[in-house]
Amino acid sequence: AAGVIQSPRHLIKEKRETATLKCYPIPRHDTVYWYQQGPGQDPQFLISFYEKMQSDKGSIPDRFSAQQFSDYHSELNMSSLELGDSALYFCASSRGTVNEKLFFGSGTQLSVL
Amino acid sequence: DAKTTQPTSMDCAEGRAANLPCNHSTISGNEYVYWYRQIHSQGPQYIIHGLKNNETNEMASLIITEDRKSSTLILPHATLRDTAVYYCIVRGPGFQGAQKLVFGQGTRLTINP
Repeated sequence: AAGVIQSPRHLIKEKRETATLKCYPIPRHDTVYWYQQGPGQDPQFLISFYEKMQSDKGSIPDRFSAQQFSDYHSELNMSSLELGDSALYFCASSRGTVNEKLFFGSGTQLSVL
Repeated sequence: DAKTTQPTSMDCAEGRAANLPCNHSTISGNEYVYWYRQIHSQGPQYIIHGLKNNETNEMASLIITEDRKSSTLILPHATLRDTAVYYCIVRGPGFQGAQKLVFGQGTRLTINP
């Protein structure tokens, strides 16, 4: 079965650079969630989109922005990168109906040097 | 969403049943109990969820107490591949497209040969 696809798998950036992470949800899933997981920490919710509109927002820094496109894929844009942004970034998708399960991708490991 | 309390870590012998407890004493009547697990740095994986009845699938069983204040995830025949962090998450119905999962501390389960 098709899964959530994230790219790139690994990304290395310098401080103050910009990074773009991509997420391709499972076909027919209309909702995308982004999570950040720092070293030794639990996944923290950043933001979600339903039908191409922002549906919920967590502790996402102002330097980060995201959107969902017409084909339902989503991109997380991160600017002015800081060392503390080094983390695993997961994308999850689901159908937007109530009590649907979230399916997670394999994540993007971002390292800021 | 209701807060959950889980043991920080547990050990289980390979081939035995692993029983992972979770307390959610402030759960509301319309909130579900979800279990996810995260195998080292992979994306969280859905295991099972339930409202008030016991549930079973190919991965595990979920036992919810009658007062719904606690639950137990049972992995009937644990294997080394079940070594992971297990998250018990209580989630309300939310609204369409905004049903994030809030990850707490989780239980680090180690299966020993």
